Amino acid sequence: DTAVSQTPKYLVTQMGNDKSIKCEQNLGHDTMYWYKQDSKKFLKIMFSYNNKELIINETVPNRFSPKSPDKAHLNLHINSLELGDSAVYFCASSLGGTIDYEQYFGPGTRLTVT
Amino acid sequence: TQLLEQSPQFLSIQEGENLTVYCNSSSVFSSLQWYRQEPGEGPVLLVTVVTGGEVKKLKRLTFQFGDARKDSSLHITAAQTGDTGLYLCAGGGDSGGSNYKLTFGKGTLLTVNP
Repeated sequence: DTAVSQTPKYLVTQMGNDKSIKCEQNLGHDTMYWYKQDSKKFLKIMFSYNNKELIINETVPNRFSPKSPDKAHLNLHINSLELGDSAVYFCASSLGGTIDYEQYFGPGTRLTVT
Repeated sequence: TQLLEQSPQFLSIQEGENLTVYCNSSSVFSSLQWYRQEPGEGPVLLVTVVTGGEVKKLKRLTFQFGDARKDSSLHITAAQTGDTGLYLCAGGGDSGGSNYKLTFGKGTLLTVNP
């Protein structure tokens, strides 16, 4: 009974393709996040949703589109993949939307664009 | 512009040794968090410090928040092989920033050799 789960764990695809990563949390949390961790281990926030509403949208290319069908799910769709999109993408969730709440991270999805 | 600088970037020590890693910034944060990330997994929160000068202990780990709330340190006593991992600090509520977003440092990769 994993708290925050992501699928797939690994994703290898070619430039120009469109792909999606799914995230689900069973903690009953209101807020979910997507982070990108590059090859140098730098972890950066991309998006966050609170109760299905977008509250953080960092300077991420329009090719990235998050979708939250319900509070327990936050998916990430990426169009026209580029080499620079290769990274590990982490989903996280927290009870509330501010930094006062502990964030629980998923195991990550390693995306490799060739 | 990176708000949080972590040092050292890499640290390799023998089991039983003590070590300190640092997290420094020119910005004032309302709170600072420390995470440990093991290979193939997401970061896991170790501690949150919110008061300038605060010291928190978690078994062999001692965390300190600077008086001015711009820096923090993590001291590990008698390191064990299980302490191996990437240690990340993350700040929130910095001046001019947001209470909804954590800014991460680039991490210290600790290897404890048997």
